[in-house]
Amino acid sequence: NAGVTQTPKFRVLKTGQSMTLLCAQDMNHEYMYWYRQDPGMGLRLIHYSVGEGTTAKGEVPDGYNVSRLKKQNFLLGLESAAPSQTSVYFCASSYYPGYRDTQYFGPGTRLTVL
Amino acid sequence: GQQVMQIPQYQHVQEGEDFTTYCNSSTTLSNIQWYKQRPGGHPVFLIQLVKSGEVKKQKRLTFQFGEAKKNSSLHITATQTTDVGTYFCAGPGGDNFNKFYFGSGTKLNVKP
Repeated sequence: NAGVTQTPKFRVLKTGQSMTLLCAQDMNHEYMYWYRQDPGMGLRLIHYSVGEGTTAKGEVPDGYNVSRLKKQNFLLGLESAAPSQTSVYFCASSYYPGYRDTQYFGPGTRLTVL
Repeated sequence: GQQVMQIPQYQHVQEGEDFTTYCNSSTTLSNIQWYKQRPGGHPVFLIQLVKSGEVKKQKRLTFQFGEAKKNSSLHITATQTTDVGTYFCAGPGGDNFNKFYFGSGTKLNVKP
């Protein structure tokens, strides 16, 4: 099992550019999450999904869109990147809702927006 | 909204000293989880506490959940260099259990 994988690992964007981050899990998990991590602020939930075809807003959803067309994949899109979106992005998944189950995290994507 | 506060932000200890991090919530939590993140790594689940007053141990780590289920602590006895990392507590949102809120973390540095 690869667990949770994320691509790419690193990316540098210019302001206004767009990109998509891919998260894939091979554990047949229903729940998937996107977090961002900024220094001194812990992890903040951007969007989450409770199953294939579903998405919902988290704590800091503005400027991001997501899709979950397949159960194993959860995509995070930035339509027009801004310097404030410079961060480390983590994807996570769990079989049951995150509050009652272990969340398995991917290795992260380090994004810099110039 | 749900807020989970964690203190201290940083802790530097000499190897062999004890370490404690505290987590406080503005609302009652159904449960609380603890994660560890090594430098440059990703968060890794340590434990979940569910019951009021619950205490769980993992070798040198002791986790407690407060009686009112609004606070929690992680205590490490006789720290080792392998304990270096950032420790996060996390709990569900009061209005939506699918939303998960992490504390800001306590970064532990252990001097050999």
